[in-house]
Amino acid sequence: ETGVTQSPTHLIKTRGQQVTLRCSSQSGHNTVSWYQQALGQGPQFIFQYYREEENGRGNFPPRFSGLQFPNYSSELNVNALELDDSALYLCASSFERANYGYTFGSGTRLTVV
Amino acid sequence: GEDVEQSLFLSVREGDSSVINCTYTDSSSTYLYWYKQEPGAGLQLLTYIFSNMDMKQDQRLTVLLNKKDKHLSLRIADTQTGDSAIYFCAESIKGSYIPTFGRGTSLIVHP
Repeated sequence: ETGVTQSPTHLIKTRGQQVTLRCSSQSGHNTVSWYQQALGQGPQFIFQYYREEENGRGNFPPRFSGLQFPNYSSELNVNALELDDSALYLCASSFERANYGYTFGSGTRLTVV
Repeated sequence: GEDVEQSLFLSVREGDSSVINCTYTDSSSTYLYWYKQEPGAGLQLLTYIFSNMDMKQDQRLTVLLNKKDKHLSLRIADTQTGDSAIYFCAESIKGSYIPTFGRGTSLIVHP
């Protein structure tokens, strides 16, 4: 059973650019959640996808968008990057939006310069 | 204010017990969780407790829940240097499946 894999592991972008982060969910999981973790902070919920539909969104602007594919993998897209978008982006998968059993990936470290 | 609050640092000696505390604000919390994050890694679910429970024990870990005071604690018995990490408290409320995290407590274990 493979866990959650995220790519790339590290990324440097320039302010104003666009970025796509990818996540492969754990085998058997159909729900993917994305979190932003700034340095020294706890993870902040961005949004969740369940069976390819958005199933909840945190307090993030529309330039943060996502997709979930039929194989339950997911992408997080961020447009018009700002310096404050520099953070660790974590993907977590779960089965049927379970209240427990979130499996997290190791994250993508995004630096915006 | 924050929905979930934790102290930021805890330092203990190897072999001692560690107690990490957390307070939360939402009385409709259904599940409460403890996650561990090691440097450069994602979050690992350590344990969770349902809101109608007072205590849960799992090997060296003991979770205590005081629902009246909205206080959750994690006790680690016989703390080892490998337990050094950041520990996050999280809650999810009834009808939502999405954990809300605190800022994390950095546990430092001295030999």
